Amino acid sequence: GQSLEQPSEVTAVEGAIVQINCTYQTSGFYGLSWYQQHDGGAPTFLSYNALDGLEETGRFSSFLSRSDSYGYLLLQELQMKDSASYFCAVREPGTGRRALTFGSGTRLQVQP
Amino acid sequence: EAQVTQNPRYLITVTGKKLTVTCSQNMNHEYMSWYRQDPGLGLRQIYYSMNVEVTDKGDVPEGYKVSRKEKRNFPLILESPSPNQTSLYFCASSHTGADEQYFGPGTRLTVT
Repeated sequence: GQSLEQPSEVTAVEGAIVQINCTYQTSGFYGLSWYQQHDGGAPTFLSYNALDGLEETGRFSSFLSRSDSYGYLLLQELQMKDSASYFCAVREPGTGRRALTFGSGTRLQVQP
Repeated sequence: EAQVTQNPRYLITVTGKKLTVTCSQNMNHEYMSWYRQDPGLGLRQIYYSMNVEVTDKGDVPEGYKVSRKEKRNFPLILESPSPNQTSLYFCASSHTGADEQYFGPGTRLTVT
C-alpha cells in the first residue's frame, strides 16, 4: 500500500493564503487527488494532478512533483467556509488495481 | 439530480447480528467503493468494484463482504459485526479511474 503524510492541523486568517502539504512514499502511482470534508459532511472532490506541475481551479490550486514525492493544495483568499478537513489521495498502480489510499487529513481552521 | 445514496444513515446494532448497508448511484458510474472513516485515520478503503461482478479488496477488507450484481448498486455486508467495526462508512462512485469520486452522505454504524 501507499503511505501519505499530511499535517494534522493548520490555522490561518480570513483573506490569507495557506498551503497544505502531502508527502508520500510509494514506488509509483497514477496521480494525486484532493478532497474537502466539512464537519458532519461527505468528502467532495477538489482537484487531481496526473502530471507534475500546478493545476488551478478558482481560489484553489494543487501542485505535484513526482521527483520530490510531494504535492500540495494551495488555498487563496481564505474564507470562513473553507474551514474543513482536506485529504490527499493516490491511486495504487498495478495491472487491474484501482485501490485508492487517503492521507489522514489536515484540519484547516480559518479565523476572522 | 446526480447523487449517491446510502441507507440507513444511522444504525445501532449488537455484536454478531448480520447487517447490510445499501449504496446506490444514478450516474451510470462503473467504479464504486466503500470506505470507513475513523478519527485520526482518515478514509480507508474497504472494497471497490470496477464494474458489475468485478470486486477487489482495499486496505481493510476483513470482516466485510460486497457484491455488485447491478451497475447502480453496491451493498456492504457485515456478516457478524463486532465493536471494532463501529465507524462512519462512506460509499463513493466514479467513472473508471477513480480520480474524481462522488461520495454518499455516510452511514454512522455503532456495534455494541
